[in-house]
This record gives sequence, C-alpha cells and structure tokens, in this order.
Amino acid sequence: QQPVQSPQAVILREGEDAVINCSSSKALYSVHWYRQKHGEAPVFLMILLKGGEQKGHEKISASFNEKKQQSSLYLTASQLSYSGTYFCGTEYTGNQFYFGTGTSLTVIP
Amino acid sequence: DTGVSQDPRHKITKRGQNVTFRCDPISEHNRLYWYRQTLGQGPEFLTYFQNEAQLEKSRLLSDRFSAERPKGSFSTLEIQRTEQGDSAMYLCASRLGGSSYNEQFFGPGTRLTVL
Repeated sequence: QQPVQSPQAVILREGEDAVINCSSSKALYSVHWYRQKHGEAPVFLMILLKGGEQKGHEKISASFNEKKQQSSLYLTASQLSYSGTYFCGTEYTGNQFYFGTGTSLTVIP
Repeated sequence: DTGVSQDPRHKITKRGQNVTFRCDPISEHNRLYWYRQTLGQGPEFLTYFQNEAQLEKSRLLSDRFSAERPKGSFSTLEIQRTEQGDSAMYLCASRLGGSSYNEQFFGPGTRLTVL
C-alpha cells in the first residue's frame, strides 16, 4: 500500500528544475508532500485534495491526477537548500498514513 | 521548531530492556501519530490517536509495543523486551483535526539504539 516514488535519486545543479512523482495502486483522496533533511524530522511542503484544493509553500507547486492516482511535485530554479529526501504520503481509508518510498534530491553549486 | 517535542532525543539500551518515549504535541492538536523510521526508508506508521482514543494500530506493531495518550495531551510509546531490530528513529507528529487539509507537524524524534 506504500506509494511508489520516482526517481529514487536525482542530482541537480543550482537553478535547474526537477519533477518528483508519486504513484499509488489505490485510489487517493489526498496527497501530502514532505521534505526531510539528514538527521532531521520531515517538514511539510504541500497538501493536495481531490477536487483541486491545495495548500502549501508559494515556491513549490504540485499536481494531483485523481484518475491516474498520481501526484507530481515540481521544484523550479532549485537552490542548495532544496537538498533532502522528499516523501509523498497519503491516507487511504481510516487513519493510517502511508509515506512513499522517498526521493533523494541533491543540489550542487 | 515545529512546537512538537519528544523526549529523550537519544536512547541507548541493552536488548531485553524496556524503554518509554514521550511526545508533547501542539496543544490544540487533537490528532497524534507515531512513526518508526530506519535509515534510508520513509516513516512507517505505527499508531494514531484522536484525543485520548487510540483509533488505529499498524498490523506490523508487535504486542511488545504499546502507546497511550492520557487526557488527550502528551503521548507515550513503550517498547518492552527490546530487540536489536527495534533500533530506529521514532517520530511523533501532531495534527489539527476536522479537516484533511491539515498537515502533520513532526517532533525531532527519539533515536533508539539497542545493543
């Protein structure tokens, strides 16, 4: 039931763009995105709900395709501070929350 | 600082010992989650509280694990008869109820090492 993310890892130069994908085998009601830096706790980035509502940081955008059960996170003009591991997460039914497999992002000067 | 605190931050114990971790959520948040995270993996759901009621428990959670949230405030996670496989980061997150639109706020975690 764990969402699958792709790519597993990506290396960018500052200023480049990246897309991180999250796919689910089950219907998604909402998708959450978090970033985790090494040795730290996950930090909220964005929530997307069925129907198009979303909440998140201004500099980050994401999409949610309900029919394909997929979400994508778009990172534009990457900065060194974007480095970390990105996780999508979702609640299918009930109150169990499942995090995805993770995508390691490294931004180099 | 998200406003969620966990104590202790690090715990080293010997196999077979019991350990207890504490989580203090953001005061107005009625939802509380516990996760376990091992190196290179995403957080793995353990259990969920709404106020003082434990509403969900992962099937992966053995009977050596127990959690409480008395009075719907702080929560404790106890592991009895620890095993080396319990070594991990234990994360707590709190969330405001009433909407799926609300995010989780994570504490800094408790790193457990079982020798």
